Amino acid sequence: DAGVTQSPTHLIKTRGQQVTLRCSPKSGHDTVSWYQQALGQGPQFIFQYYEEEERQRGNFPDRFSGHQFPNYSSELNVNALLLGDSALYLCASSLGDSLGTEAFFGQGTRLTVV
Amino acid sequence: AQSVTQPDIHITVSEGASLELRCNYSYGATPYLFWYVQSPGQGLQLLLKYFSGDTLVQGIKGFEAEFKRSQSSFNLRKPSVHWSDAAEYFCAVAMNTGFQKLVFGTGTRLLVSP
Repeated sequence: DAGVTQSPTHLIKTRGQQVTLRCSPKSGHDTVSWYQQALGQGPQFIFQYYEEEERQRGNFPDRFSGHQFPNYSSELNVNALLLGDSALYLCASSLGDSLGTEAFFGQGTRLTVV
Repeated sequence: AQSVTQPDIHITVSEGASLELRCNYSYGATPYLFWYVQSPGQGLQLLLKYFSGDTLVQGIKGFEAEFKRSQSSFNLRKPSVHWSDAAEYFCAVAMNTGFQKLVFGTGTRLLVSP
């Protein structure tokens, strides 16, 4: 079982550019959540996708958008990058969206905006 | 709004000594509580979780945590620390609704001295 895989592992972008991060959930999982972890901070919830729909969103601007595909994989898009978007972006997958299910995290994508 | 406080940013423990990491939460109802561990360059791994029932929960790697409603706490403990336990530890809370959005604390970095 490959677990949750994220790509790329590292990325450097310039202010104002756009970026797409990708996540493949653990086999059998249908729910994907995205978190942003700034240096020295805990992860912050961005949004969750279930059945190809955004279920709930955290306190992030519309520059952050996402998508879930029929195979349950997901993308996180960030437009008009700011220096403050530099962070580790974590994807978590689970089976269903109930609290009784464990969320499995990928190793993350380290985004640096210069 | 939910919040999680981990008052200790860093903790150093001698190998073989006992460990207790503190976590306090703020939430109006019975929370769902989690402890995750993050090793350098890695994603988050679930150590244990509390939903209901016995307030002392056992997790992986010899960790346990105790839920104390009166103190709004969910402290993580281990009787004997190993050098491989050095990592960042995050406490998280989720609302007890049918949706898993995790709110994390800022983390405690555990250093293990020989």
